[in-house]
Amino acid sequence: AQTVTQSQPEMSVQEAETVTLSCTYDTSESDYYLFWYKQPPSRQMILVIRQEAYKQQNATENRFSVNFQKAAKSFSLKISDSQLGDAAMYFCAFLSRSQGNLIFGKGTKLSVKP
Amino acid sequence: EAGVTQFPSHSVIEKGQTVTLRCDPISGHDNLYWYRRVMGKEIKFLLHFVKESKQDESGMPNNRFLAERTGGTYSTLKVQPAELEDSGVYFCASSQGTGADTQYFGPGTRLTVL
Repeated sequence: AQTVTQSQPEMSVQEAETVTLSCTYDTSESDYYLFWYKQPPSRQMILVIRQEAYKQQNATENRFSVNFQKAAKSFSLKISDSQLGDAAMYFCAFLSRSQGNLIFGKGTKLSVKP
Repeated sequence: EAGVTQFPSHSVIEKGQTVTLRCDPISGHDNLYWYRRVMGKEIKFLLHFVKESKQDESGMPNNRFLAERTGGTYSTLKVQPAELEDSGVYFCASSQGTGADTQYFGPGTRLTVL
């Protein structure tokens, strides 16, 4: 069975600084996808970034980038130039093509200090 | 384009009562998922519809939960009778295709069973 582990329940970052959120996963699948979702206090969960396992290049979306280490089964999220609006719960999620449903980690609560 | 919507946003009921949650997916999305997050734990998959058919209901906790998607549009999730451990946030998500397609989430329904 697949599992996703986020080892940091809470993180804090100063505005304009960089922060990295950790995520590891376990799977025997070869065809899968990894996601970071963000849930601000208003509760709507938003997709931040997506990575296809078959792609070696790390995905980036503006200030958000990932460090995907397939052999180590690690998928960390780096937020550069942190902004107050980045404060949220961040969930790492795994999706295998054969299964269809997302498997989530417990989440990391990110606070941004002005 | 409207996103995934859920109703109600919050429901407080007493143990033994019945509650029905509703989800309206993004127009044109054949795939609809229900997930649940119990306090402090991971977001867990409940079930997956493809149009009006249940593709996977392996995550449904017991027979007190009944999900329907008549006509392949909106979906309802009924809990009858509700128990204390059913408290949590119920998320709905939709995607256009299965497998690798990104799932878009609604704001969730917070259910409190007293």
